[in-house]
This record gives sequence, C-alpha cells and structure tokens, in this order.
Amino acid sequence: GAGVSQTPSNKVTEKGKYVELRCDPISGHTALYWYRQSLGQGPEFLIYFQGTGAADDSGLPNDRFFAVRPEGSVSTLKIQRTERGDSAVYLCASSLSGQHPEQFFGPGTRLTVL
Amino acid sequence: AQSVAQPEDQVNVAEGNPLTVKCTYSVSGNPYLFWYVQYPNRGLQFLLKYITGDNLVKGSYGFEAEFNKSQTSFHLKKPSALVSDSALYFCAVRDYGNNRLAFGKGNQVVVIP
Repeated sequence: GAGVSQTPSNKVTEKGKYVELRCDPISGHTALYWYRQSLGQGPEFLIYFQGTGAADDSGLPNDRFFAVRPEGSVSTLKIQRTERGDSAVYLCASSLSGQHPEQFFGPGTRLTVL
Repeated sequence: AQSVAQPEDQVNVAEGNPLTVKCTYSVSGNPYLFWYVQYPNRGLQFLLKYITGDNLVKGSYGFEAEFNKSQTSFHLKKPSALVSDSALYFCAVRDYGNNRLAFGKGNQVVVIP
C-alpha cells in the first residue's frame, strides 16, 4: 500500500487481557515509531525502531508494554495485563530512515479496555 | 527534554480571513519543527517542516510557518482560511540528537462560513 497501515482499527478488550497491535510501514522505510494518543492530548512517543532493533524505547510506560520488528518491516506492539488507563489511540509512523526527519503516520488503532 | 506549547485550545476564524495557530518550543539543541493536521477518525497528516535554511517554510494546502529562533516559536499561518481547514492541528519538535517527536496538545481550528 501507499501509506502506513494499522490493524485492527478498533480493539475492545477486558482488563487483564493481552493485546497485540500491528503496524505495516511504508515499503522501504527503515525507521518505525509507535506513539500513544490519549483523549484531548497530543501523541506521546513510545518506541523507535531502526531496522529490526529498538533504538529508543524510553517512552514505554512500564514493562507491560513490548514491541518487536523481527524482519525490519512489520511491527507488533504488545500489551500484557491491560489496564483501563491503557485505553487510547495507538499510532504508528515510519520514515525513510532515522536520518530523515519527516514521519508518516498511520490511521491508528483505538484500544478500549473495559 | 524537548517540549511544545500550543497555548490556545480553539481558534475560531471566519472563512476568507487569515488563520494563525501558535506554537512555541523548547529543545536543548537545534530543533526540527513540524506541523501536522488531524481530521476526525483519521491519522495525522504532515503539513510542513523546518529543518534548516529559510525561516519561512511553505507546506501543503496553502499553509506556511515561520521559524523564529529568538522567540522559540513556529506559528502556522494561512492567508485565507477555508471551511475545509477546520481540523485539529499539532505542532511537534524533534531535537537534533534523537528521533522522538514531542507534540503539543493540539489546537482545534473552526472556520466559520
């Protein structure tokens, strides 16, 4: 596809459950980013991948959050033991490389934890 | 740490009038500055960026922004607003030393016909 895609678009889960959110970046983009946007706020950085490795995970709020990018393309954000406070829109972005500052965003996954 | 302030919650402007959305930033080094727009149930769309060079940058849909180093500002402007410009606008900054974008809380722009 031409842009960043994310699946699912909506996810409803119960407190304590495990969820996975998927991001498919623009083809050829080596840098991938995850952000979280709570209601009424701007996006907050979670993690940045350059290729397969997490180059900066300083934004992950705690050890319930984990992300992988095993082949340097698709990435999965994993949240264990979900809490109601995890409810937010999770945004993925990609850029041509870490040196290219312009980040292109996907439509996001809206996560609701009941 | 890098940060952005967007002081106004909502900006109301009549169609055809000039539109300004304010942004100030804080970084430790040289900034990369961005504006994004978000329509309901849509992802963030890139409007324009400042990296280096001319302080006035032009972007998509007739928008422009002026980098002012002494005032640490990067206000977004459009000479003549359209009703279709009604959306949520985010300013973001990246410090030269890292790849993280720090966003402001956003400004809702309402263009009144």
